[in-house]
Amino acid sequence: AQSVTQLDSQVPVFEEAPVELRCNYSSSVSVYLFWYVQYPNQGLQLLLKYLSGSTLVKGINGFEAEFNKSQTSFHLRKPSVHISDTAEYFCAVSVSGGGADGLTFGKGTHLIIQP
Amino acid sequence: NAGVTQTPKFQVLKTGQSMTLQCAQDMNHNSMYWYRQDPGMGLRLIYYSASEGTTDKGEVPNGYNVSRLNKREFSLRLESAAPSQTSVYFCASRDRGRSGTDTQYFGPGTRLTVL
Repeated sequence: AQSVTQLDSQVPVFEEAPVELRCNYSSSVSVYLFWYVQYPNQGLQLLLKYLSGSTLVKGINGFEAEFNKSQTSFHLRKPSVHISDTAEYFCAVSVSGGGADGLTFGKGTHLIIQP
Repeated sequence: NAGVTQTPKFQVLKTGQSMTLQCAQDMNHNSMYWYRQDPGMGLRLIYYSASEGTTDKGEVPNGYNVSRLNKREFSLRLESAAPSQTSVYFCASRDRGRSGTDTQYFGPGTRLTVL
């Protein structure tokens, strides 16, 4: 079984400052890694994903994440945040190899942008 | 192209009542999923369907049943609702068909309250 730990439940950041949202995972098999964003009262939107290849993954809205296999981490970063980035961010994993298993999610990090 | 649609958007039930949450996708995906989202818990998998005609239990299946009516539709039924089933329910479908595209797409959610 897989598990995901998002170390911070809330991260307050000033507008235009950089941010890092931390995600660690545990799995006995190879995994795919995902970051989703949820704006208030909406569904989840994919920010970026790591399936294979380059460990630095770029996503939408200026976000990027780096897969670190030795640290079992997949931290999300943005060099300069905007008020519109205020949302809940979820890290998730699935077993690689094309199986149909669902995603295992972390508990989420609420990113709060302060003006 | 509507993606993943869910009905209803909101529902209030009394304890013991039954209801069915509907989900449909128009992306020709084989796999579909039901998750529930509770505050501070992230999303947890209830049931999934790898393909038309098959369903499997996820992490929290108790109190629910599902039907994969055809390739497009995947419904979730609460036979006798309980207050513990108050939650936001998300349906998702998964693109597994092409290399490098393993992604789940989420519907807008159904907010269910059981009194």
